[in-house]
Amino acid sequence: QVQLVQSGSEVKKPGSSVKVSCKSSGDSFSRHTISWVRQAPGQGLEWMGGTVPIFGASHYAPKFQGRLIIIADESTNTAYMELSSLTSDDTAVYYCARDRNLVTTIGDYYFDDWGQGTLVTVSS
Amino acid sequence: SYELTQPSSVSVSPGQTARITCSGDVLPKKYARWFQQKPGQAPVVVIYKDSERPSGIPERFSGSSSGTTVTLTISGAQVEDEADYYCYSVADSYGVFGGGTRLTVL
Repeated sequence: QVQLVQSGSEVKKPGSSVKVSCKSSGDSFSRHTISWVRQAPGQGLEWMGGTVPIFGASHYAPKFQGRLIIIADESTNTAYMELSSLTSDDTAVYYCARDRNLVTTIGDYYFDDWGQGTLVTVSS
Repeated sequence: SYELTQPSSVSVSPGQTARITCSGDVLPKKYARWFQQKPGQAPVVVIYKDSERPSGIPERFSGSSSGTTVTLTISGAQVEDEADYYCYSVADSYGVFGGGTRLTVL
């Protein structure tokens, strides 16, 4: 079973950006989709976006278009999520999650394995 | 944008059958998954491809699909099944979660 290890907690000021990393221990990194999901305190899960490393493609939920960037570094088996123009509403635990199956359809962002989560706190 | 609709809460006694529904227009076209999340933990897949159960998930968990609705059934719910449950699917190259259902077993 693949392990996804995320970077540590962050505290950010409103208006700034945050970048969270997710390192995969498994092989075939580039042929598995990786998604980013967040959960605000006491709230539900929210899919933010995903990437398909082998195709160099990323997709974003409409809500995050324009301030979210998701990339994958195949040389280090690491995915990154960068969210800009932060507000207090972005305070949440951010998870990366990976599909165990090899990608077959671009845009089908299913996932099985999850990182441990990264708490991002936005506060002045 | 697409939406998935779940009841906010379901309550059963131990040993009873719990059913959690999830409705959305995308469901006839794309598979759904169900995630279980306990406090302070990352979610865990309990059903994928509408009705498949991953290895290690108890047999009392099952899933079904009919039209625009998928259903998670827990037959003989146990106290340890008390958790939040989320349905999930995909549409137009993005993912969508349902709002989540708090299952209470007591």
